[in-house]
Amino acid sequence: RKEVEQDPGPFNVPEGATVAFNCTYSNSASQSFFWYRQDCRKEPKLLMSVYSSGNEDGRFTAQLNRASQYISLLIRDSKLSDSATYLCVCSNSGYALNFGKGTSLLVTP
Amino acid sequence: DVKVTQSSRYLVKRTGEKVFLECVQDMDHENMFWYRQDPGLGLRLIYFSYDVKMKEKGDIPEGYSVSREKKERFSLILESASTNQTSMYLCASYGQIDQPQHFGDGTRLSIL
Repeated sequence: RKEVEQDPGPFNVPEGATVAFNCTYSNSASQSFFWYRQDCRKEPKLLMSVYSSGNEDGRFTAQLNRASQYISLLIRDSKLSDSATYLCVCSNSGYALNFGKGTSLLVTP
Repeated sequence: DVKVTQSSRYLVKRTGEKVFLECVQDMDHENMFWYRQDPGLGLRLIYFSYDVKMKEKGDIPEGYSVSREKKERFSLILESASTNQTSMYLCASYGQIDQPQHFGDGTRLSIL
């Protein structure tokens, strides 16, 4: 079983819509969580860290549910520029991070 | 801002060649990583290093080696390139454990 699992999508949403992605992780010892964004043919870039109490950065909200071992990303008021692949990432305090394969989002006019 | 620099954006090599991919970071990070990314397979860890001259195998080390002679530089070596090593190669680094990784721009390597 893969350590981090995401629905690959694609999620096609109209501009202005709210969209949410979930990601599940298998290692209950995971301690740090992140969402990365990756544009086509580019490198992944950190979107936001995910804190236990949940956190918000503008239109983006991240949540962590340790009991059910999933993290979520909510995007409000979607923009065309939000179209990208979103990678869920977990760390179990080892040196390496575990990356999901990503969820593809396409925001349409 | 963290800067991770990979030596080439695009590289074309021939089967059997020895290929060097270089990565340099400017934030004095202890931990450096090499991944490859292929459609449908996501990011796969090849090797990582947590200190100078230290290296650890990742999930897919076969056909690759690495070198970390200086803290800021982590090199990936394809000993004898094969066509199945055509891929996007990404270098990343971070300082403290549980901190996010910062990626270089990536190298698109084609082996003909």
